[in-house]
Amino acid sequence: RKEVEQDPGPFNVPEGATVAFNCTYSNSASQSFFWYRQDCRKEPKLLMSVYSSGNEDGRFTAQLNRASQYISLLIRDSKLSDSATYLCVVTVYSSASKIIFGSGTRLSIRP
Amino acid sequence: EPEVTQTPSHQVTQMGQEVILRCVPISNHLYFYWYRQILGQKVEFLVSFYNNEISEKSEIFDDQFSVERPDGSNFTLKIRSTKLEDSAMYFCASSSDRKPQETQYFGPGTRLLVL
Repeated sequence: RKEVEQDPGPFNVPEGATVAFNCTYSNSASQSFFWYRQDCRKEPKLLMSVYSSGNEDGRFTAQLNRASQYISLLIRDSKLSDSATYLCVVTVYSSASKIIFGSGTRLSIRP
Repeated sequence: EPEVTQTPSHQVTQMGQEVILRCVPISNHLYFYWYRQILGQKVEFLVSFYNNEISEKSEIFDDQFSVERPDGSNFTLKIRSTKLEDSAMYFCASSSDRKPQETQYFGPGTRLLVL
């Protein structure tokens, strides 16, 4: 089983739509969770951290379910600029933080 | 806003040659990382570095790879004898702490092509 698993997509949705991505992780010792976005041929950029209580940042809402080892990202009122690959990221801490990336979910917003 | 920088942006080399990829982390950060991303694949952790030594490394980071902080600002990744399969985008990242919730900031990457 992959350490971090995501639906690769692509998700192709119209502007203004709501879209949700899911991610599952296999290591129950995983400690921190993030969503990054990556534009084509660019570096990953932090979108938001994911907290157990769930958190919201503008149009973006992230949820964590530790019991099911599941993370989600909801994007409301999607914009053309939201087109990117969304990376689910999990951190396992031993002597240092080791970040494990999912393969990403591609999102394409059409006008 | 402070950012991680990397040079060169692109590097083309012959198989068997040595390459050095350079990174300048954010100035007050203490923890440094290298990742690679083969075209079309996921980002993979290579190594983390703190206090002038390797904290953790992945199975990818074999004897062909080494890291160094030669001065107070640069953080380098050396590949001793490049192979075709080393062709990838290499990202440097830094963070101010090693806590798992601490954000890692990524540089723009160096695209390495081994011929």
